[in-house]
Amino acid sequence: EVQVVESGGGLVQPGGSLRLSCAASGFAVSNYWMHWVRQVPGKGLVWVSRINPEDEGGITNYADSVKGRFTISRDNAENTLYLQMNSLRVEDVAVYYCIRDLFGPRETWGQGTLVIVSS
Amino acid sequence: QSVLTQPPSASGTPGQRVIISCSGSWSNVGRDNVYWHQQLPGTAPKLLIYNDYQRPSGVPDRFSGSKSGTSASLAISGLRSEDEADYYCAAWDDSLSGYVFGTGTKVTVL
Repeated sequence: EVQVVESGGGLVQPGGSLRLSCAASGFAVSNYWMHWVRQVPGKGLVWVSRINPEDEGGITNYADSVKGRFTISRDNAENTLYLQMNSLRVEDVAVYYCIRDLFGPRETWGQGTLVIVSS
Repeated sequence: QSVLTQPPSASGTPGQRVIISCSGSWSNVGRDNVYWHQQLPGTAPKLLIYNDYQRPSGVPDRFSGSKSGTSASLAISGLRSEDEADYYCAAWDDSLSGYVFGTGTKVTVL
């Protein structure tokens, strides 16, 4: 069964760091476009970042709001996608979703992990 | 602040047809494909439409997508109670070099 499971969310102070993980099963993260999308509870969806397949160069893109602070990466041996979040701000509070093949017919979402930035 | 504008709400009675609009610009909707997601309460979003009008396997043909110029639409025919959800459009934006989601529309079945 194809599945992605996020972890790593929690409470962090402004200016702090967190690393989110997205463990994949049933497919190889290296073979797919992988994305992060966030959603403030009760609010809309916001695209955060993507990384393209290994054989397409592993190119990354970021939303302007996180550029220079967040880094998307993957560990093929662990079959896991990551989102390193530095210099966190109050406005980064959200549920973060990991998605395989966002906008594609085989799109698969995780259940999300909640990040709270507060002093 | 999203660059894709949707009406905040839409409603209809069972069996009716509801249309949700998504207004963008020539840097997003007018240039690239449009996608639609449905988000039921307390769940992760689910893809309803990709590449403007195509439906993934398992999505009923009651859901249809269309696009003209810088605007796109999602139509729900034969409205059912289980269609009560939030609906989001999305597209790649060339100016931002990233994807943008719409503001979201809450559909209520009266």
